[in-house]
Amino acid sequence: EDQVTQSPEALRLQEGESSSLNCSYTVSGLRGLFWYRQDPGKGPEFLFTLYSAGEEKEKERLKATLTKKESFLHITAPKPEDSATYLCAVQARGGSEKLVFGKGMKLTVNP
Amino acid sequence: DTAVSQTPKYLVTQMGNDKSIKCEQNLGHDTMYWYKQDSKKFLKIMFSYNNKELIINETVPNRFSPKSPDKAHLNLHINSLELGDSAVYFCASSSTRASYEQYFGPGTRLTVT
Repeated sequence: EDQVTQSPEALRLQEGESSSLNCSYTVSGLRGLFWYRQDPGKGPEFLFTLYSAGEEKEKERLKATLTKKESFLHITAPKPEDSATYLCAVQARGGSEKLVFGKGMKLTVNP
Repeated sequence: DTAVSQTPKYLVTQMGNDKSIKCEQNLGHDTMYWYKQDSKKFLKIMFSYNNKELIINETVPNRFSPKSPDKAHLNLHINSLELGDSAVYFCASSSTRASYEQYFGPGTRLTVT
């Protein structure tokens, strides 16, 4: 069964303090690994898709990387507006389009 | 120019009632989904429709019945509501001809009392 584990469950950073979020996965043939951001009371907002090991994508202060077993979301010099829950999900090859999500990681950036 | 919209935003109802949630997307996508997010914020797939055809049904009680009148709409009807149905329900859509990322609606918070 496809599985996603995110760590840590929660993280508090000071503004400007860089860190990384980890997403470990097991999947029967990876089609894509997805990162989403979710603010309280809102739907998940798409950030990145990674398709193969070694791939990297960047958006502002966020950079996502992928290996065969895990993905990292690096946050460089975070700002308070980066505070949110970050969700990792995998999609397996072969028919079903469903996303299997991890439990998320709540990031709080203090000013 | 909302991409994926859901109505209502909040739904409070009593046990045993029947209720519906509606979803519409204007992205031209061919696949739509219902996800449930429980109190621990865990998102789990319930159903998926591709071109009005049911393709995913993830061991959801048959009190839940999705209906897709066309590619842009996916509704969720719930019969005989139970306390455990309280959650946030998200609709999402994607294009199987493009890059597979799913775009989510704002969610419907269902509270069963």
